This record gives sequence, C-alpha cells and structure tokens, in this order.
Amino acid sequence: AQSVTQPDIHITVSEGASLELRCNYSYGATPYLFWYVQSPGQGLQLLLKYFSGDTLVQGIKGFEAEFKRSQSSFNLRKPSVHWSDAAEYFCAVGSNSGYALNFGKGTSLLVTP
Amino acid sequence: EPEVTQTPSHQVTQMGQEVILRCVPISNHLYFYWYRQILGQKVEFLVSFYNNEISEKSEIFDDQFSVERPDGSNFTLKIRSTKLEDSAMYFCASSGQGISNQPQHFGDGTRLSIL
Repeated sequence: AQSVTQPDIHITVSEGASLELRCNYSYGATPYLFWYVQSPGQGLQLLLKYFSGDTLVQGIKGFEAEFKRSQSSFNLRKPSVHWSDAAEYFCAVGSNSGYALNFGKGTSLLVTP
Repeated sequence: EPEVTQTPSHQVTQMGQEVILRCVPISNHLYFYWYRQILGQKVEFLVSFYNNEISEKSEIFDDQFSVERPDGSNFTLKIRSTKLEDSAMYFCASSGQGISNQPQHFGDGTRLSIL
C-alpha cells in the first residue's frame, strides 16, 4: 500500500533563509507526487506535481521539489522564505491504478523575522 | 483562475441528524472527490466519482455516506445520521482527467461540527 511520511511535524526558519521540507513515500511503481499548502482557514492549494520526466519540478511561489527514486523522496525546497510562506505543507502520493491521494501528516512551517 | 467552491463554510448539526455538504467543481472537470481532515490529523480520502458513479471509496465511506451529482454543476456529500466522530473539515476536489494526467484542485472546505 502507498504511504507518505513527513518526518518533521514543525519547522521554524528565519525570513530569507532557505527551506527544505522532507517527504518520503512508499510505493512499488513510479508514484505521482504532489505538494499542497494549506494556510489557516483555507483549502489545499497545489504547489507542484511530479508525474514523469525531469526529476526537478518547479512550482508556484518560488518552490521546487526533486524526485529521488533511490531515496524514495520528494523534498520541497525554497531558496529564500518569506513570512507569507508560513502555513501547513502536505506531501501526497497517487497512482495510476486508483483515484485517491494519500497524504502525509503535514509539516507546519513557522517563519520568524 | 477557476476554483472549486464549497458551501457552507461551517455547518453545525446535532448528532443523529442528516447533513448535506455542497460543492461546485471546476466547470470542465470530470472527476470529483471528497476528503476529510479531522482536527490535528492528516487529510483522508473518502470517495471519488466519475461518470455518475463511484469509482473508488475508502473504508471510511460506509453506508452512512453517499454522494450525488444532482445537476450539471453541483456535487454533494450526504451523511445520513451524523456521529460525533464525523466532526471534521470536509474538502471537495475535482480534476479534469484521472490522477495520472491532472492534479486535483481543492475547495476551501466545510467545517462540520457535530454536537
């Protein structure tokens, strides 16, 4: 069965610092991978997706993620964090044999001045 | 940019009552989904719907739950007899194609509180 692990429950970074949020997945074949962001009281906004091809994918708001098959990882990165990036970040995995997205438990990002 | 819209934003219901959560998916999308997020927990898949029938459902989606597309624009989730443990944020999502081609776009959710 698919599973997604986000090892960090909370992360605090200073504004302007770089960010990396970790995501590991468990799935037999090539997964479809997603990062979503949820601001307080808001829904889930898609940041980026990986289906196939180039393993480094660019998303909105200056985010990128790299698919590493050998490490079963899909970590999210941003070179310089802005205060508005404070939110909950969810990694999700899907497969071509189903419709469901399987979400990780999320990482809460706090940005300090 | 087209959005998935959900109403109401907050629903308070007495235990045992029926509740209907409403969603308007993105207009040219064909696949529809419901997820829920219990406070402090991860987002969980409930059901997917395509071509007027359920295409996949999770163990959570038992006989108390049903989905319907009553017209060309709305997609609803009904809980027949609510329980305290149904309290959660319910998200509707839609996609233009299946999961292998297009991502799912989510609404802002309906917070369901069961008293």
